[in-house]
Amino acid sequence: GENVEQHPSTLSVQEGDSAVIKCTYSDSASNYFPWYKQELGKRPQLIIDIRSNVGEKKDQRIAVTLNKTAKHFSLHITETQPEDSAVYFCAATQRRGSNYQLIWGAGTKLIIKP
Amino acid sequence: NAGVTQTPKFRVLKTGQSMTLLCAQDMNHEYMYWYRQDPGMGLRLIHYSVGEGTTAKGEVPDGYNVSRLKKQNFLLGLESAAPSQTSVYFCASSLGQGAFFGQGTRLTVV
Repeated sequence: GENVEQHPSTLSVQEGDSAVIKCTYSDSASNYFPWYKQELGKRPQLIIDIRSNVGEKKDQRIAVTLNKTAKHFSLHITETQPEDSAVYFCAATQRRGSNYQLIWGAGTKLIIKP
Repeated sequence: NAGVTQTPKFRVLKTGQSMTLLCAQDMNHEYMYWYRQDPGMGLRLIHYSVGEGTTAKGEVPDGYNVSRLKKQNFLLGLESAAPSQTSVYFCASSLGQGAFFGQGTRLTVV
């Protein structure tokens, strides 16, 4: 089955710098890769996603890149701000017959230092 | 359009008591999930459903049961609560790719 590894588990960056979180997946059949942000005490919320037929997607200060050959995808946050402090989860979705399975990474705690 | 709504938001149970958590979604999603999240940890899948009348076990199903009698509702039951079930429980729904989460239920078993 699918396995998603996420690194690093904790990332501390200076406000204004960039942050990069990386995930690798094992099943080449995976075709959809969402990223979620979870603020303290809140629910996980989808912030950006990418499908397997696309190499990069941007939305203002956040971007996601996908390397299908190497089976890894990354979240990039530029010009980090205090409100970016949160736990970020990656996930991979694979289709099994008529059903989908969503497999989660373990999460990265992003700390933005003032 | 409320999205995914969980009831209750908080609950304290005594060991051995039973309770049911209710999840309701108004997005006509086929897939629904129950996760638990322990402090500082990731999401662990308890049970899920790929459609009305169907349920399946996830990663940590022991001690829990579920039912999906209506497409919009997914119930999570604890028959005999244990302190190890103290956690935050999240329900989610999706069309198959990605997921929308409820606000969570903070459950404490004493």
